[in-house]
Amino acid sequence: QVTLKESGPALVKPKETLTLTCTFSGFSLSASGMWLNWIRQSPGKAPEWLAGIDWEDDKYYRASLRSRLTISWDTSRNQVSLTMADVDPVDTATYFCARRVLLSPVDVFDFWGPGTTVVVSS
Amino acid sequence: DLQMTQSPSSLSASVGDRVTFTCQATQDIRNYLNWYQQKPGRAPKLLIYEASTLQRGVPSRFSGSGSGTDFSLTISSLHPEDFATYYCQHYYILPLTFGGGTKVDI
Repeated sequence: QVTLKESGPALVKPKETLTLTCTFSGFSLSASGMWLNWIRQSPGKAPEWLAGIDWEDDKYYRASLRSRLTISWDTSRNQVSLTMADVDPVDTATYFCARRVLLSPVDVFDFWGPGTTVVVSS
Repeated sequence: DLQMTQSPSSLSASVGDRVTFTCQATQDIRNYLNWYQQKPGRAPKLLIYEASTLQRGVPSRFSGSGSGTDFSLTISSLHPEDFATYYCQHYYILPLTFGGGTKVDI
């Protein structure tokens, strides 16, 4: 049974660094075609893909946020973390981690965590 | 970035109605398109992948079609639990992007 769960602070101040962690189970991120991704959704908006890490520990970022994001994988704890530097109120959103299965031609976000809401405010 | 445009942004319907909404890409994405359903306070749920393949466990009243730049999602007969927001998402190239969504309400 695949599960994912996000954790992190609910409130951060502008210009601080946000660190989110996704703890997953029920699959091996080392298996070919597996990715773990971070996706955020601002209130009333569409989901926005931020970053992903694949089964070979290669990392991918949304270009517009690349300078602020770092994704990393703790293999010993089945956790993937995302840090976002220099946060701004526009970063207020619900942050989801989602498994991506990339086995061409199939490429889907098939399992998601419940999300964690982050408010950026002083 | 490759943009996805959904229309309408919202629609009102009744239980039993047949509804169709569309998703348009700014360039040819072949059939590299997924559809998700999202209910308030919940994560998106995968409904359809490769534009027309139903995800396991999704009711057959959902169907998808299209290729290239124009896609659609049809619900043949709305059930009460189908009132939600639907998003398309391409996987042609990074960054993966979602459409703006179609909210289906009563």
